[in-house]
Amino acid sequence: EDQVTQSPEALRLQEGESSSLNCSYTVSGLRGLFWYRQDPGKGPEFLFTLYSAGEEKEKERLKATLTKKESFLHITAPKPEDSATYLCAVQAEETSGSRLTFGEGTQLTVNP
Amino acid sequence: NAGVTQTPKFQVLKTGQSMTLQCAQDMNHNSMYWYRQDPGMGLRLIYYSASEGTTDKGEVPNGYNVSRLNKREFSLRLESAAPSQTSVYFCASDPGNTGELFFGEGSRLTVL
Repeated sequence: EDQVTQSPEALRLQEGESSSLNCSYTVSGLRGLFWYRQDPGKGPEFLFTLYSAGEEKEKERLKATLTKKESFLHITAPKPEDSATYLCAVQAEETSGSRLTFGEGTQLTVNP
Repeated sequence: NAGVTQTPKFQVLKTGQSMTLQCAQDMNHNSMYWYRQDPGMGLRLIYYSASEGTTDKGEVPNGYNVSRLNKREFSLRLESAAPSQTSVYFCASDPGNTGELFFGEGSRLTVL
């Protein structure tokens, strides 16, 4: 059974204070690892896809990295508008369609 | 460009009542999904349709039925609602097996 565990559950940062979110996973053959952002009362919004260990993707203040067992979402010099819940998900090789297994998310709050 | 549209946004039901959640996408995507999101449980897949004319069970299908009406529309039906089905329901779509899901804004269902 595929599993995704995210830590911490919640993180409070001051504006400009860099940090990282963790996503640990177990999957029977990884097709892809995905990061999504979810704002309160909204649906998740796709951020990144990572396919293989060592891969990195960047978007503005966010950088996602992948190893064989976990992924990190690094947030550099965050701003209050980065406050959201960040979700990690995995897709196994043998699945049909985009059957993703999601973690519970990390709720990030960035104070001005 | 509306993306993924869900109706209704809010609904209150009594135990035993039935209802249908509607979802439509205007991106010409092949695959569509229904997820539920509960505190402490993350997003869990209920049913999905990899392509028009096909539907498959996800992780938590009991108590639900789906219909892929055409390429644009994918509905979720609760035949006899139970309090355990109180949740936020998200419809999503993707071009086909990419893992890069486009989500609707959610339907908040309360079963009394």
